[in-house]
Amino acid sequence: DAKTTQPTSMDCAEGRAANLPCNHSTISGNEYVYWYRQIHSQGPQYIIHGLKNNETNEMASLIITEDRKSSTLILPHATLRDTAVYYCIVRVGRTSSWGKLQFGAGTQVVVTP
Amino acid sequence: DSGVTQTPKHLITATGQRVTLRCSPRSGDLSVYWYQQSLDQGLQFLIQYYNGEERAKGNILERFSAQQFPDLHSELNLSSLELGDSALYFCASSVDEGQPQHFGDGTRLSIL
Repeated sequence: DAKTTQPTSMDCAEGRAANLPCNHSTISGNEYVYWYRQIHSQGPQYIIHGLKNNETNEMASLIITEDRKSSTLILPHATLRDTAVYYCIVRVGRTSSWGKLQFGAGTQVVVTP
Repeated sequence: DSGVTQTPKHLITATGQRVTLRCSPRSGDLSVYWYQQSLDQGLQFLIQYYNGEERAKGNILERFSAQQFPDLHSELNLSSLELGDSALYFCASSVDEGQPQHFGDGTRLSIL
């Protein structure tokens, strides 16, 4: 699976949008971009995923560049409960190993009042 | 609440012992995954089952084994425990292998 690069940490003011970048310059055509987050020692929580089109759900938006080498997760109105480690994962499409997720170090996001 | 249930929440045992961690997937999910999270290694994929069959293996030690039963619940067996096995063990499930995984709250294993 393609490796990802994320900033180690980010601060965000409550009520503002949080834009979390992720670089995945070696991504292949059949690899999806997934985002998960983990709130202090809880189980990781699925946020959103996409292949090449931008995606939006009730939690966040995912913007993938046209060349697919990077993406941005947008939390539109950050709250204190969004403080967590955010993981950007590139996951291969339908192969024998597409079940596993490879978590990196992620980005520690701290939302401040 | 993800719908994935893991028991027990906490487990304290001694070196050399054997423990079993249990996972009940979300209703309708056929695929179950096990992950280990330790302070120095981060979240590591261990093993995956799909409808009772082993599908993929990650960094799982030979002392560890798992299975998925006909009712789709899964168990992770850890034997000859060492201090380094102390970690959070997460189970996740998904409808099928390509769908997003939903994680339980984990079992915190402490080896004394």
